[in-house]
Amino acid sequence: DGGITQSPKYLFRKEGQNVTLSCEQNLNHDAMYWYRQDPGQGLRLIYYSQIVNDFQKGDIAEGYSVSREKKESFPLTVTSAQKNPTAFYLCASSRTQFSGNTIYFGEGSWLTVV
Amino acid sequence: QQQVKQSPQSLIVQKGGISIINCAYENTAFDYFPWYQQFPGKGPALLIAIRPDVSEKKEGRFTISFNKSAKQFSLHIMDSQPGDSATYFCAASTMEYGNKLVFGAGTILRVKS
Repeated sequence: DGGITQSPKYLFRKEGQNVTLSCEQNLNHDAMYWYRQDPGQGLRLIYYSQIVNDFQKGDIAEGYSVSREKKESFPLTVTSAQKNPTAFYLCASSRTQFSGNTIYFGEGSWLTVV
Repeated sequence: QQQVKQSPQSLIVQKGGISIINCAYENTAFDYFPWYQQFPGKGPALLIAIRPDVSEKKEGRFTISFNKSAKQFSLHIMDSQPGDSATYFCAASTMEYGNKLVFGAGTILRVKS
């Protein structure tokens, strides 16, 4: 089945550690996105990528990094510089980044700092 | 300018009733307005979307009403069912903002049986 796969579903991190969240899509979509979801704040864009080897910062990129070496993959690294990383992280993709293109979301990854 | 304000924050509706969620925006360049439905622990899924050249779009029990002059749009869920209990997000996008979706804060809907 086509879709977006995020892993792991649940991740615990000690303060000071970097962690990487995986996102893979087999929809042949050009554009991929990472959102962060906190209660009462909706979804906020962290990074997005329109094509392979290219990505741009979203609204809350500080403390995060990404790469787009393959069309199918868009991993997100939460670095120790992120002050409040505990959140639900959502990866998404769309055929292109043109307005009106449906954005499809993965199942999300829960990150907890302990 | 890039905000989308959504209300109410939470909503309780009796089974069979009408659920109404409202969103307002400032940027008149927004040209695509989708609604997403999210169940607990899952990613959001597109429910219905509208462009500003139409005032209403209906898909089954779900209807979007769009008021361009007031810069508002709303989601109506007719004959609400317990299975509709979820969080609903409105969103908007414009080429001026790179066609990235700007989301409202979400509405938690509970339909009582």
